[in-house]
Amino acid sequence: GAGVSQSPSNKVTEKGKDVELRCDPISGHTALYWYRQRLGQGLEFLIYFQGNSAPDKSGLPSDRFSAERTGESVSTLTIQRTQQEDSAVYLCASSRHLNTEAFFGQGTRLTVV
Amino acid sequence: DAKTTQPPSMDCAEGRAANLPCNHSTISGNEYVYWYRQIHSQGPQYIIHGLKNNETNEMASLIITEDRKSSTLILPHATLRDTAVYYCIVRVASTGTASKLTFGTGTRLQVTL
Repeated sequence: GAGVSQSPSNKVTEKGKDVELRCDPISGHTALYWYRQRLGQGLEFLIYFQGNSAPDKSGLPSDRFSAERTGESVSTLTIQRTQQEDSAVYLCASSRHLNTEAFFGQGTRLTVV
Repeated sequence: DAKTTQPPSMDCAEGRAANLPCNHSTISGNEYVYWYRQIHSQGPQYIIHGLKNNETNEMASLIITEDRKSSTLILPHATLRDTAVYYCIVRVASTGTASKLTFGTGTRLQVTL
């Protein structure tokens, strides 16, 4: 597609439920990144994927967070047993190669009530 | 990746040049300087990057000092649509190393009439 696409754009969920967030990167981009941005805060790195290499999961805040990517296509970020502190905008980005400029999607706004 | 320091906020009159400074005194020889911006409620947008030479594209110019310890992003004719938070990031350029973009707090640029 023309840009990075994320779905849903908004998600409201009850505390304790699991959620899945989806990211469609730009076609041909081998690197994919997930970030979190709480209201009024900066971007926190969560995880990145590069081709078939093992992902860098160093930013995942707890074992309730996991992410998968199939090849060089779609990625899903899963949050289990959501907590109110998980409320944030979750941003996905992709880049053609490792260390080239990254293009961001519009994000998924997650609200845990 | 090296840490960057930016002023928290700046104002600029519409039509004037906006000069956004960034200090990165601990930058390494293999680290590039990247600039992104984030307009309210949108994902970050790539602007420009450079290693040691000055760079210019359709959006902005990047001036890097000879010792590479600081840089300035220049928006030559700021418009109201340039109101955003601008992030200066330094990032390892070589492949095979950690590639996550580490966002600081950035500079909030307010363009006024």
